[in-house]
Amino acid sequence: EDQVTQSPEALRLQEGESSSLNCSYTVSGLRGLFWYRQDPGKGPEFLFTLYSAGEEKEKERLKATLTKKESFLHITAPKPEDSATYLCAVHMDSNYQLIWGAGTKLIIKP
Amino acid sequence: KAGVTQTPRYLIKTRGQQVTLSCSPISGHRSVSWYQQTPGQGLQFLFEYFSETQRNKGNFPGRFSGRQFSNSRSEMNVSTLELGDSALYLCASTAGNMNTEAFFGQGTRLTVV
Repeated sequence: EDQVTQSPEALRLQEGESSSLNCSYTVSGLRGLFWYRQDPGKGPEFLFTLYSAGEEKEKERLKATLTKKESFLHITAPKPEDSATYLCAVHMDSNYQLIWGAGTKLIIKP
Repeated sequence: KAGVTQTPRYLIKTRGQQVTLSCSPISGHRSVSWYQQTPGQGLQFLFEYFSETQRNKGNFPGRFSGRQFSNSRSEMNVSTLELGDSALYLCASTAGNMNTEAFFGQGTRLTVV
């Protein structure tokens, strides 16, 4: 069964404490992997798209990487405003529909 | 470039009533997807419309329906509302091709009492 799993479910960090969020997938024929950020009560905001293993993308304190089975969202020296739920989703060969993970709730304490 | 617009932002309805939500995608985008989001369930896919045709459908009962107009605007309807339908309903638009990122609206918060 096609599946996307995110871990951990929640992560509490001190401001400045770097860490990584994980998105693992079991899908047949990955076409693209997407990372989003969602603030409470709002729609998800697009962050990155990754297409092939070895690809990396960066934006401010965030860096996304992709392997054949998983993706990592690395956050370097986070600030309280980075607190949000981070979602990943994948597109597979056979379907236009995105498959979503349940998200990681990130809390950065000042 | 205007983003995805969802109306209304908030709704309170009574059990048994029906509701219609609206989504205007980004100009030029032909695909609109609808999602239901609840605290315990995450993003649950409802359906996707592309060029006025339903292209994909999630595992929701027939009380949930949608349509897309020739200008790509989309509506979703929920009939015979149940308490469990209380959720944030999100609409996302894409150009409609594989591997294009989806852009979301702010959502409609539906509360059923």
